[in-house]
Amino acid sequence: SQWGEENLQALSIQEGEDVTMNCSYKTYTTVVHWYRQDSGRGPALIILIRSNEREKRSGRLRATLDTSSQSSSLSITAAQCEDTAVYFCATPSSGSWQLIFGSGTQLTVMP
Amino acid sequence: DMKVTQMPRYLIKRMGENVLLECGQDMSHETMYWYRQDPGLGLQLIYISYDVDSNSEGDIPKGYRVSRKKREHFSLILDSAKTNQTSVYFCASSWGTTNTEVFFGKGTRLTVV
Repeated sequence: SQWGEENLQALSIQEGEDVTMNCSYKTYTTVVHWYRQDSGRGPALIILIRSNEREKRSGRLRATLDTSSQSSSLSITAAQCEDTAVYFCATPSSGSWQLIFGSGTQLTVMP
Repeated sequence: DMKVTQMPRYLIKRMGENVLLECGQDMSHETMYWYRQDPGLGLQLIYISYDVDSNSEGDIPKGYRVSRKKREHFSLILDSAKTNQTSVYFCASSWGTTNTEVFFGKGTRLTVV
């Protein structure tokens, strides 16, 4: 899982496998962002899940949000090589003006 | 086309030189940000701007200042650059608060030698 001052985590899987990345956050929030960052690019939003959704799907992606445990997860079904990237979770700070990023998970999908 | 544009993409400066990083967005977003990203780490907020001439420090403002004279432009200035400011800098923008999507530029890789 990712948060705080932990260094970037690395995860390596085979193409076709499912994978889940976890995120714990410190302050109460009603929304969790999941971003994907490809090498040499800026982060791009892939899923934004709100507390009234608990689960959200987008293609092969599935995000969950549990406000009681202050955690979120991002799952990828049947991962492809092009899913190789760094995945960040992020939550708004109190007051909602600042987006606080987790340390990220480097996912490598091997053929 | 919704876009955040950063210039330049790559920059090499000598220690002690002044550095100007430019950012533009075409979405009329009120809020703009400057982050830095170091290898293996997440993004750290340097400054946030709520609108023209309305800027606040983020988590790591020391050594940096910003300027926002037009809603669509947000500049990051390093006065007398230091080697520990070598990093990748990302500009971002969003509608109001961070309860909505934050759009990022492609980044500027700054090397201070």
